[in-house]
Amino acid sequence: GENVEQHPSTLSVQEGDSAVIKCTYSDSASNYFPWYKQELGKRPQLIIDIRSNVGEKKDQRIAVTLNKTAKHFSLHITETQPEDSAVYFCAASRGGSYIPTFGRGTSLIVHP
Amino acid sequence: DADVTQTPRNRITKTGKRIMLECSQTKGHDRMYWYRQDPGLGLRLIYYSFDVKDINKGEISDGYSVSRQAQAKFSLSLESAIPNQTALYFCATSTTKDPRVSYNEQFFGPGTRLTVL
Repeated sequence: GENVEQHPSTLSVQEGDSAVIKCTYSDSASNYFPWYKQELGKRPQLIIDIRSNVGEKKDQRIAVTLNKTAKHFSLHITETQPEDSAVYFCAASRGGSYIPTFGRGTSLIVHP
Repeated sequence: DADVTQTPRNRITKTGKRIMLECSQTKGHDRMYWYRQDPGLGLRLIYYSFDVKDINKGEISDGYSVSRQAQAKFSLSLESAIPNQTALYFCATSTTKDPRVSYNEQFFGPGTRLTVL
């Protein structure tokens, strides 16, 4: 089955800095890569996703990049703000099964 | 607003007790999932259901059972709870039938915090 590795497990940055979270996957047939944000005490919510036919996708201060050859994808957050503090999960899934395999999560702490 | 709800939100029980966690959704989604979240371990899939008659085990189904009573309801049972089942449990939904929504996006409920003493 699919295996998703996520690093780092904890990331601490100063407000205004950039943050990068990296994930690798094992199944070359995976073609959908979502990122979920979970604020403290809240439910995970999708913040951005990318499909394997696209190399990069941006939405305001967040972007995701995908390298299919290397089987890794990354979340980039620019100009971080305290409200970006949360746990971020990456995931990977095949088309057809729709069952994502999640990484273990990254706790992002943005210091004011 | 259409939503995913879970009951109870918090539960403390004792070893050996039978526990049922319930999930309901008003999103009209066909697919439902149960996950377990433990610190440092991410979200692990317990069971999933593609429709009322299609239920499948996830990666950590031992010690759990489920029932899909209707398209909108999916219950998780712990027949005889043990302390290592102490965790945060999430229900989630997704749909293959709404072209406005990615068929892979999952919508999570608020979670049930279960403590087994």
